[in-house]
Amino acid sequence: KAGVTQTPRYLIKTRGQQVTLSCSPISGHRSVSWYQQTPGQGLQFLFEYFSETQRNKGNFPGRFSGRQFSNSRSEMNVSTLELGDSALYLCASSPPGRVGLFFGSGTQLSVL
Amino acid sequence: AQKVTQAQTEISVVEKEDVTLDCVYETRDTTYYLFWYKQPPSGELVFLIRRNSFDEQNEISGRYSWNFQKSTSSFNFTITASQVVDSAVYFCALSEGGGSNYKLTFGKGTLLTVNP
Repeated sequence: KAGVTQTPRYLIKTRGQQVTLSCSPISGHRSVSWYQQTPGQGLQFLFEYFSETQRNKGNFPGRFSGRQFSNSRSEMNVSTLELGDSALYLCASSPPGRVGLFFGSGTQLSVL
Repeated sequence: AQKVTQAQTEISVVEKEDVTLDCVYETRDTTYYLFWYKQPPSGELVFLIRRNSFDEQNEISGRYSWNFQKSTSSFNFTITASQVVDSAVYFCALSEGGGSNYKLTFGKGTLLTVNP
């Protein structure tokens, strides 16, 4: 069974640009969550989607948004990038009714 | 508010030593889940264990064991006879509420280095 797939693996952007990251969950998993990992703040929850609906949201500005498609694939978007957005963005999926996240390898975003 | 504290930032051991990683959590909920994840240099978080708040039984899986104590709000992780491949950052995490809450609060992590 394929794991959680995130693309691209690495991304370099400049301040002010926007970026879209993609996540394909494990087959059968309908919940997709996103986390930001930085050396200073550690792992922080961004949001969680289930059946195309956002169920939970972390404390991030509105520049961070996401969506989920009918096939459970998810994208997150960051607009007007800032230097502080440089981070590893991790996507996780969970099977129905079971809390136990399975993570992808992440997208390393560098903002210059 | 929920909080997870991993007081040990870095631990260095020699192969075959036993090592315990500490995790202390704070929550007002009576129903919650606790997790441990391993993050090797490749970056992917690897799920190790999930424990719910009603199950205080300790668990052993091969060289890994977990000690859950509600009285001290701790969920410690022990690696017996450590190996170089155990070198990674280990995270403890907490999810409040029932099984429908998929938001995890992570500790800052403990970098474990196992030297040959």
